[in-house]
Parts: sequence; C-alpha cells; structure tokens
Amino acid sequence: KQEVTQIPAALSVPEGENLVLNCSFTDSAIYNLQWFRQDPGKGLTSLLLIQSSQREQTSGRLNASLDKSSGRSTLYIAASQPGDSATYLCAVKEDSNYQLIWGAGTKLIIKP
Amino acid sequence: DTGVSQDPRHKITKRGQNVTFRCDPISEHNRLYWYRQTLGQGPEFLTYFQNEAQLEKSRLLSDRFSAERPKGSFSTLEIQRTEQGDSAMYLCASSLDSSTNYGYTFGSGTRLTVV
Repeated sequence: KQEVTQIPAALSVPEGENLVLNCSFTDSAIYNLQWFRQDPGKGLTSLLLIQSSQREQTSGRLNASLDKSSGRSTLYIAASQPGDSATYLCAVKEDSNYQLIWGAGTKLIIKP
Repeated sequence: DTGVSQDPRHKITKRGQNVTFRCDPISEHNRLYWYRQTLGQGPEFLTYFQNEAQLEKSRLLSDRFSAERPKGSFSTLEIQRTEQGDSAMYLCASSLDSSTNYGYTFGSGTRLTVV
C-alpha cells in the first residue's frame, strides 16, 4: 500500500532564505506527483506536476524534483517571502489508481 | 472558465440535518472527485465520477452520503442526518482523462461545521 510522508511537519525560516521541503513515497510505481499549496481554511492550489518520466519542474521561484527509484521528491523555494507561508502538500497518483495519495503536509512560516 | 467552483463556502448545520454541496468543475474536464479534509491532515478520497458515471466510492462514504453528477457537468454531495464527525472541509477537484496524465484542479472547498 502506497504511503506518502512529508518531513518536517512544520518549518519556520527567516525571509530571504532558500529552503527545501521533502516528500517520500513507499512504492516507486507512480504515474505522477503533484505539489499543492493550501492557505489556512482554503482549498488547494496546484503548484507543480511532475510526470513519472520527468526529473524536475520549475515555476518561478519553485523547483520540484523527482527521484522515483529512491521514492523522493523535493520542493525547493528560492528567496522565500512572507507570502509563501502556507501548508505545502504532495500527492502521488499511482499507475493503476485514479486516486491521489496524500502526505499530511509541511506547514511553512516565513518570518519577516 | 474560472476554475473549479464550490458552493457554499461555509455551512453550519445542526446535528441530524441534511446538507447538500455543489461543485462546478472546469467545463472540459470529464473527471470529478470529492475529497474530505480534517484539520492537519491530507485530503481523504470520497468518490469519483467519469462523466456522469460514479465509478468508485470510498469506504469512508457511509450510507448517509450520496453524490450525483447528472449530465456529467456539476456534481452534488449530500450528507443526510449529519453527525459532529462530519465536520470537515469538503473539496472537489476535476481533471481530464487520466490517459493524458494531467494534474488535478481543486476548488476552494466547502467547510462544514456540525453543531
């Protein structure tokens, strides 16, 4: 059974720092992996989608990498800003399953 | 198209009452999903439609829950005889057919509070 883990559960860093959020999954047979952002009490905003054949995707200050063989993905945020404060969730879609399997998220706080 | 829309944004109801939520997906998306999320947790899958057909229901979806997607467009999720444990954020998402390997687009959610 696929399990997705995100460590740390919470992270607080000063503004301007570069940071990395981690996502690990137990079964490497994934279809794709998606990173989402969630603001308190809000829905989910898709940030980056990485196909199983890809190694990384970039959007602005965000870069997501995927290493299927080791069951890991990272979300790199450059030059962090207070507006980046939110919970970041990763989710995998398995080859044979339409569902997304979710991590519990990393709550990120960027201190001004 | 403004994305996935959910209505209402917030719903407070007394225990035992019925509630209904609506989701309008992105118009060209043929797949529609309902998820439930409690505080500090990732979303949990509830059910999924391809066009108007409901193809899968989670065991989390008890007999008090029912979902429809008439005509393969908008969807409704009804909870009958609500319980306090039903309090959660109910999220709707849509996507194109999985063969094209597109990601999901989520709505802003409906927050349900059962008092």
